[in-house]
This record gives sequence, structure tokens and C-alpha cells, in this order.
Amino acid sequence: GAGVSQSPSNKVTEKGKDVELRCDPISGHTALYWYRQSLGQGLEFLIYFQGNSAPDKSGLPSDRFSAERTGGSVSTLTIQRTQQEDSAVYLCASSYGLAGERDTQYFGPGTRLTVL
Amino acid sequence: AQSVTQPDIHITVSEGASLELRCNYSYGATPYLFWYVQSPGQGLQLLLKYFSGDTLVQGIKGFEAEFKRSQSSFNLRKPSVHWSDAAEYFCAVGLYSGGGADGLTFGKGTHLIIQP
Repeated sequence: GAGVSQSPSNKVTEKGKDVELRCDPISGHTALYWYRQSLGQGLEFLIYFQGNSAPDKSGLPSDRFSAERTGGSVSTLTIQRTQQEDSAVYLCASSYGLAGERDTQYFGPGTRLTVL
Repeated sequence: AQSVTQPDIHITVSEGASLELRCNYSYGATPYLFWYVQSPGQGLQLLLKYFSGDTLVQGIKGFEAEFKRSQSSFNLRKPSVHWSDAAEYFCAVGLYSGGGADGLTFGKGTHLIIQP
């Protein structure tokens, strides 16, 4: 079946602009995760959704970052007033996320964000 | 908070030789452990995972890993590497609350180079 998809694959933007990154999880997966991969920080967890709610927002780097998920499916990560340090690959993952289940996160190919 | 250490940033191995990639974790309870592989420009692919039970787990592509509680380690091994194994390898720890999966904590990664 189809895996996790992300769009766009590459995004180049100017400092100060807002960007939206999209993630389509695997069909039937209720949990969705966002991570950031950068040279300096490695792979960092940003936020996860169980259904449409986000129980844990502690990983978001600043209040310029926000995420939403609608219909228990597609999620959008929004970065406002982008800064050069936001340049990174943003990875999305999904899993079944059932209570008590110890399931596996499957990752998408990522969106490479470059802030000029 | 949990943490994951991959002590080797780069490892070079001759094709056909055996491989061991090290991973140590710090966590107060029994963790859920994963190894992912990332090829250039690709997302993360799950190699194997440990949740409970047999401490030696088998994964895809001929990889295996052994969970050693006394050493807080989860080292990845392969008896004979192939040139296609050249990639970045990430060890990760998962925390599962009653509501399901939470974000993974990743190590910094080990870059594997295969010599002909």
C-alpha cells in the first residue's frame, strides 16, 4: 500500500516568509508525528497527533511553529516568519497509535526547507 | 528524559566483512528500541525493533540487534556487509504512554562507508 507522503519535497523561501508543509499518513494510521533533521541537531521530535489532537507540543522550537491535523488524516506544519536556522529536512511519520499497542512509526521522504 | 548515544560518527568496513554499530541508551524503564537506516535523499526505513521477549531480534536485509539491559545497549550487527549497506544508521528509543506512542528520541547517527 501507499506509504507516508510529504509535499513539497523541496521548499526554498526567503527569510521572514511563512511556509506550510504537508503530510499524508498511511491510511488507517491514527497517530502522526513531525520531526526535524538538521546537521547541527540531528533528528528532533517536534509534535505528535493522536487523531486530531496534539497531546505533546513540547518539541516545537518556538511559537513560530504550529501544526494542525484535520479529519484524522492530513497534517500541516506551519512555520511563520522563517529564519535561516529553520533550514532543515522536516520528516513526517505515522503509526496505528492504538492505546496499549507498541507499534512502529513509518516515515515519509521528508521536505527539505531552505531559508535564504 | 531519555537519551541515545551512538559513539561512532563514521565507520568504514570492507565489503564482505562483519559490522557492529553501537548504541547506548539512558532511560529509567525498559525502553522500546529501534534501528532505522537512511540512504542519501531518502526517508527513514525501519530495520528492526525490540519491545520485549527475546533479546536478539532479527530485522530486514540480514541485520540483527541484541538488547543488553545490563549494558544499556542495543548494538546492530551484520555478518557480511554489501556495498548497498552504505548509509546513515540511527538508533532510537520510544516511550509509550497509555494513550499510545510518543515521539522517538534518536541518536546522532553512524555513517557507514563500505570499501570495495
